[in-house]
Amino acid sequence: RKEVEQDPGPFNVPEGATVAFNCTYSNSASQSFFWYRQDCRKEPKLLMSVYSSGNEDGRFTAQLNRASQYISLLIRDSKLSDSATYLCVVPWGGGYNKLIFGAGTRLAVHP
Amino acid sequence: ETGVTQSPTHLIKTRGQQVTLRCSSQSGHNTVSWYQQALGQGPQFIFQYYREEENGRGNFPPRFSGLQFPNYSSELNVNALELDDSALYLCASSIRRTETEAFFGQGTRLTVV
Repeated sequence: RKEVEQDPGPFNVPEGATVAFNCTYSNSASQSFFWYRQDCRKEPKLLMSVYSSGNEDGRFTAQLNRASQYISLLIRDSKLSDSATYLCVVPWGGGYNKLIFGAGTRLAVHP
Repeated sequence: ETGVTQSPTHLIKTRGQQVTLRCSSQSGHNTVSWYQQALGQGPQFIFQYYREEENGRGNFPPRFSGLQFPNYSSELNVNALELDDSALYLCASSIRRTETEAFFGQGTRLTVV
């Protein structure tokens, strides 16, 4: 089993749609989780941190289910500018900040 | 912008050569990590430096090495370049050394021919 798994997509949605991405992880000891956004040929940028059961920031909601080792990201009212790859990230602990990235889910929002 | 800067932005090297990539961390961040991102994949952890010492390493051979300087800036050195080393190399700084957000520089795109 991969350490962090995501549906690669692509998700093609119209503007205004609601879209959800799923992520599963194998390290049950992880205490924090992150979603990063990466535009084509650019660096990953932190979108949201999740330390408890979930987090909400405007149109973005992240949910965490520790029992199932599952994280989700919900985007409401999609904008064209949301088109990007979304990376699920889990710190691996062990005394250093090794971040394990999923391969990413690609989102394309069209008019 | 994250305040993490990397140089150069692009580089072309020949197989067998050596390369040094540089990174300046965000102000106040004492931890620097390096990642390799191949096309179509998520970034892979190479190693982390904290207080000028390597304190964590991923599954990369010893020809990948690094340094951290007293001002927390860092270098990544890769010897004996191979074609598979072609990738985007990302530097990330964080405020502490475990379980925390990392902020990435714009990356160095290395092409080995």
